[in-house]
Amino acid sequence: NAGVTQTPKFQVLKTGQSMTLQCAQDMNHNSMYWYRQDPGMGLRLIYYSASEGTTDKGEVPNGYNVSRLNKREFSLRLESAAPSQTSVYFCASSAYPGTGELFFGEGSRLTVL
Amino acid sequence: AQSVTQLGSHVSVSEGALVLLRCNYSSSVPPYLFWYVQYPNQGLQLLLKYTTGATLVKGINGFEAEFKKSETSFHLTKPSAHMSDAAEYFCAVSGGEGNKLVFGAGTILRVKS
Repeated sequence: NAGVTQTPKFQVLKTGQSMTLQCAQDMNHNSMYWYRQDPGMGLRLIYYSASEGTTDKGEVPNGYNVSRLNKREFSLRLESAAPSQTSVYFCASSAYPGTGELFFGEGSRLTVL
Repeated sequence: AQSVTQLGSHVSVSEGALVLLRCNYSSSVPPYLFWYVQYPNQGLQLLLKYTTGATLVKGINGFEAEFKKSETSFHLTKPSAHMSDAAEYFCAVSGGEGNKLVFGAGTILRVKS
């Protein structure tokens, strides 16, 4: 029962470095999402992919890029990390967009120094 | 645009007491409403959802919520708190442009013995 798997779980970067967060789901879901969680701000949508082959910006897309590699995988890339990107990142998936029934990974804690 | 306001970033109750977590929403279309729970160092998991039909919705672990359109509210309740209920709870709404899920800032529930 893997569900949604994110890697890595922890990462420390220096300002300006790049990295990619990986996400894979084994539930045959069509839609996938990347959120960031910051204290007192809830979860904010970075990017989402309603279906394989499509990606769209969410509420806070600046500084990020995404790739929907196939139906299972959705990666998030930070090209030049900034301290403001220190956060916990969550990948989620749903059978269809807009249903609201999201299944979340366990999160990736990123610190940018 | 849709939005969610959760009243009280922290709520503390005694074990066995009533739990009431407040959520008010704003939506230009009939909303879908959700409560998610997050235990420490984990992703979010769905507690319950309202889409259409009965306005009193029952979820897992004895929680329920009532959709009140006139008050634009979707408060979460549980008659008797248990120590295992200590977690962060998020209210969320979807149904607007792009059908994206919008989260509130979260309420941390503390249960005292």
